Formats: sequence, C-alpha cells, structure tokens
Amino acid sequence: GAGVSQSPRYKVAKRGQDVALRCDPISGHVSLFWYQQALGQGPEFLTYFQNEAQLDKSGLPSDRFFAERPEGSVSTLKIQRTQQEDSAVYLCASDAGTGELFFGEGSRLTVL
Amino acid sequence: DAKTTQPNSMESNEEEPVHLPCNHSTISGTDYIHWYRQLPSQGPEYVIHGLTSNVNNRMASLAIAEDRKSSTLILHRATLRDAAVYYCILRDVGGGDQGAQKLVFGQGTRLTINP
Repeated sequence: GAGVSQSPRYKVAKRGQDVALRCDPISGHVSLFWYQQALGQGPEFLTYFQNEAQLDKSGLPSDRFFAERPEGSVSTLKIQRTQQEDSAVYLCASDAGTGELFFGEGSRLTVL
Repeated sequence: DAKTTQPNSMESNEEEPVHLPCNHSTISGTDYIHWYRQLPSQGPEYVIHGLTSNVNNRMASLAIAEDRKSSTLILHRATLRDAAVYYCILRDVGGGDQGAQKLVFGQGTRLTINP
C-alpha cells in the first residue's frame, strides 16, 4: 500500500501478557517514530529510528517497552508484562525528510 | 521543547472560513511551525508547515506573525469533514541532535463544524 500500515488494528491483552505491535512504513522512508495516545490526549512521543539506529528512546515509559527496526524498514514495538495503564492507541509515523510525517491508523491496545 | 498554546475548542459553520490561532512565544530561530489534524479514529494527518513566510497549499493557509510568536491556520471554506483536533507544533530541524526532529503534540484545538 501507499501509506503507513500498522497491525494489529485492535489488540486485547490480559494483564501480564506480552504484546507486539508492527509498523510497515512507507517504502524508502528513513525516519520512523512511535507515539502513544491515551484517550482524549494528544500523541506522546515514545521513540525514534533513523534507518536501523534507535536515536532517541527518551519517551519509552519503562523498561517493559522495547522497539526495534533491525533492517531499517519494518519496526516492532514490544510491551512486556502489560499493565492496565498501557491501554492506549500506539501510532507509528514515517518521514521522507521533507518535513511531513505520515501516520498510520494506529494499534488500539486494551489491557484487561 | 518549545511550547505552543491553542484554544481547547472552536466552533464554526459549514462553508465559512475558520481561523485557528496558535501562540508560540518561545519559538527559536530554527523551529518550523507545523500543523497536523486528527480525525476521529485516525492517525494525525499533515496539514501545512512554514518557517517565516505565509504558506498556502490545497488544504489550508498558514499565516505567520512577523515576530513569529504566533500563527494562524486558515481553512478557507470549512466542510463537515474538517471537524477534527488541530495541533500546532514546533519542530526543530536546525540542530545536530536527530532526536530533536520529533513532533511534540499538545492538546490541540477541537474544531466543530455546524451544518
């Protein structure tokens, strides 16, 4: 497809389960960002990749959150031992270097 | 990160112009002013960005104050599909720190369009 693709669109997890969220950026986009958006709030920055290098992970809320982009294209955000406060929409965005970020539709995580 | 201030909500009528204000009094010389919007249940969508001069594209116009401490996003003729949360964001692309290129979202302005 032409846009940023995220999967799954919806994920329900029991507290304590591990989850993995996938992002397929637009082909050729060097920069990739992950954001977390709680209900009624603006997106909050989590982490940033330039190709396969994770240059900024200052927004990751705890060591339960881990992101990777091993070949500089697809990225995975992994959350270990999920907690209820992790319930949110997780957004991925890629950037061609033109100043415009392209966002996916997000993965909505609900932790019961 | 440089901060922006926007009204929490605004309301307008269909087919009328809409002016969405944004204050950014602590803007630095290398900060670009970006606007994104987010429709319900979708990811944010790029609208427009600029540095010093006013900018126009097919979606909107961006008017930037001469001192750059404020800007206004202008939707020339609002439609019901323009109902969304609009975010005004400063993005520093002048530094060597790659992480500075991230977008820092605030609460945005929730725009309601009346038919």
